[in-house]
Amino acid sequence: GESVGLHLPTLSVQEGDNSIINCAYSNSASDYFIWYKQESGKGPQFIIDIRSNMDKRQGQRVTVLLNKTVKHLSLQIAATQPGDSAVYFCAENEQGAQKLVFGQGTRLTINP
Amino acid sequence: KAGVTQTPRYLIKTRGQQVTLSCSPISGHRSVSWYQQTPGQGLQFLFEYFSETQRNKGNFPGRFSGRQFSNSRSEMNVSTLELGDSALYLCASSLPGSYGYTFGSGTRLTVV
Repeated sequence: GESVGLHLPTLSVQEGDNSIINCAYSNSASDYFIWYKQESGKGPQFIIDIRSNMDKRQGQRVTVLLNKTVKHLSLQIAATQPGDSAVYFCAENEQGAQKLVFGQGTRLTINP
Repeated sequence: KAGVTQTPRYLIKTRGQQVTLSCSPISGHRSVSWYQQTPGQGLQFLFEYFSETQRNKGNFPGRFSGRQFSNSRSEMNVSTLELGDSALYLCASSLPGSYGYTFGSGTRLTVV
C-alpha cells in the first residue's frame, strides 16, 4: 500500500554540524517527492523537491537524495542553525494523482 | 503575495455539532487540498479540488465533505463531530499541473 515513513522520530545535532534525515517510501508509482519543515504553530513549509528522474538536487544548505532502487529519500542540511529546529516530513505524490502521502516526521533539535 | 489563508485559526466545538472551515488559496492557484494532522496519525489527505470539482478523496468517512467555489476558495465541513476529529486541519494550494503545494497555518479544531 501507500506509505512513506521516516527512520527516526527524533534527531539531535550540534549547531554547525550537518544533519541527515532519512525517509523510506513504498509506492513505486510515486514520481515526485518533497521535504517539508513544520515549526510549532505553523503549517508545513516547502524546503526542496525532487522528481523521480533525478538522483540528487541541491538547494541553499539543503540537498535531497533519491535512491529509487531501495525506495529511500534523504534530506541533508549543512551547517545546521538554531532556526533549523523543527519537524521535517517527507512526502510523495503518485504520478497523476494530486495527493501527497506524508511520512510520520522527524523532530530535529539543534544543540548549542 | 499573500499566502494560503485559513479561517478560523482556532475552534472549539461540542460532540455532535458540525463545523465549517474556510481556505483562501494563493492568487492564481486553482488546486486546493485539505489534510488532517493528528499526533497519532500524522498528516493525512482528505480531498483535493480543482475548478470546483473534487478530483481525489482520502479514506475518511462521509461526515467529511468539502467544496470549492468559482474563485477557488474552498470550504470543508465536518458533521456530527466526534472527539477523534480534534486535529489541525491544513489547506494547501498549487498552480494547475504543479505538485508544489503551499500550506496555510491551519485551523486547530478541538471537539469536547
